[in-house]
Amino acid sequence: DAKTTQPTSMDCAEGRAANLPCNHSTISGNEYVYWYRQIHSQGPQYIIHGLKNNETNEMASLIITEDRKSSTLILPHATLRDTAVYYCIRGSGNTGKLIFGQGTTLQVKP
Amino acid sequence: DTAVSQTPKYLVTQMGNDKSIKCEQNLGHDTMYWYKQDSKKFLKIMFSYNNKELIINETVPNRFSPKSPDKAHLNLHINSLELGDSAVYFCASSRLGAFGNEQFFGPGTRLTVL
Repeated sequence: DAKTTQPTSMDCAEGRAANLPCNHSTISGNEYVYWYRQIHSQGPQYIIHGLKNNETNEMASLIITEDRKSSTLILPHATLRDTAVYYCIRGSGNTGKLIFGQGTTLQVKP
Repeated sequence: DTAVSQTPKYLVTQMGNDKSIKCEQNLGHDTMYWYKQDSKKFLKIMFSYNNKELIINETVPNRFSPKSPDKAHLNLHINSLELGDSAVYFCASSRLGAFGNEQFFGPGTRLTVL
């Protein structure tokens, strides 16, 4: 049970912002929202995570709704190399257990 | 410098054989993991070790036995290989903590059982 819901696929034009939504309506108070991506058959790559507040790093921004039932990952200027499967995951920092769902396949087009 | 490395990258073997996959991390992390990604690309955690102690053990056949000789290594031994074991196996490492943790994944080992 992945416990998160994401669209199966999305397209984005190169240079535009990619906004990837995720629903996690049953998230517990101590669970974080993590985003990872997997490019082709490489190992998953960490992007960002958050608990309540919005977060930003050099790769992306994470917007979490006030009720924490959903979040959006924003890639501000998508490039062709951002084409990947993006996973939204609920997880505990104390055990490190991540349960991956099917993810969203993001296709960045020229 | 490779942060999380796995050997071998590819492993082709016959049913019934026993094989091992090795994982090493040079990040100084205290926790290591094994994941399995099947042909449908579904990624599932199998095991996790924290400071050489098993802390996550999902519903995995007991033919799979993880071994952690030290904090930097977590090897996966598989006995009596079956066709359904064919998959890509990823090792990962992280620090555990109440503030969430970033897991670093290795490049994967593609296991094919014939």
